[in-house]
Amino acid sequence: ETGVTQSPTHLIKTRGQQVTLRCSSQSGHNTVSWYQQALGQGPQFIFQYYREEENGRGNFPPRFSGLQFPNYSSELNVNALELDDSALYLCASYAGSRPYEQYFGPGTRLTVT
Amino acid sequence: DQQVKQNSPSLSVQEGRISILNCDYTNSMFDYFLWYKKYPAEGPTFLISISSIKDKNEDGRFTVFLNKSAKHLSLHIVPSQPGDSAVYFCAASGGGGSNYKLTFGKGTLLTVNP
Repeated sequence: ETGVTQSPTHLIKTRGQQVTLRCSSQSGHNTVSWYQQALGQGPQFIFQYYREEENGRGNFPPRFSGLQFPNYSSELNVNALELDDSALYLCASYAGSRPYEQYFGPGTRLTVT
Repeated sequence: DQQVKQNSPSLSVQEGRISILNCDYTNSMFDYFLWYKKYPAEGPTFLISISSIKDKNEDGRFTVFLNKSAKHLSLHIVPSQPGDSAVYFCAASGGGGSNYKLTFGKGTLLTVNP
C-alpha cells in the first residue's frame, strides 16, 4: 500500500510569483485535504477535495486554489505569493469509510523571499 | 481564536515513566478527537482517536482520555520510550456533513530521556 506522497520536497519562490504543489493520495483514499503549517504552529486547514470538487474551505484567500484529478491526486496552487506564505504545506487523504483517520504526506517546504 | 489549545510547548520524561500530554478545546461541536505524532522532516502520523461519546480509548501503550464537561483531553504513554520523542499534536473534528476538517493545537514537543 503506497502512502501519501508530495512533490516537490522544497521550493524557493519570489514574492508575487505563482506556485503549484502536488499530492498523490494513499491507495483507496478518495478525499484529499490541504493544510498549511507555519513555524511553531499546528497545521491549518486550507481546503478539501472530494470527487474533484472543493467541499470545504478554511480562512484562506481565493489566491489559494486547488484541483483534484480522477485518480484522486491533487494540486494546490498559490498565486501572488506573499512572504507569509512561507510554510510547510501538508496534504492528507482518507477513505470515506474512515474520515477521522487522515494520513499525511511528508509536506512541501515553501520559502518565499 | 484558537479552538484547540496545547498549553505545554514541551515535556521531558525519563524512559519507562508515564508521559501525559494535555489538550483543551473550546468548541462543543467537536465530535471526534485525534492525536498525531510528528518527527522532523515527516508529515504527522495518526496515533489514536476518540469519539466524543466515549471517555477513554486505549491502544497498546497509548491511552486517550476525554473529559467533555471540562473540554479537556489527555494522551498517556506508558511506558515512555526514547523513540516516542517527537512533537505531538492534538486535533479535533466536528460539525458533521461531508467536511471532516481537522483543527489542530500548536503541538507539544515530547523528549524521552534514556
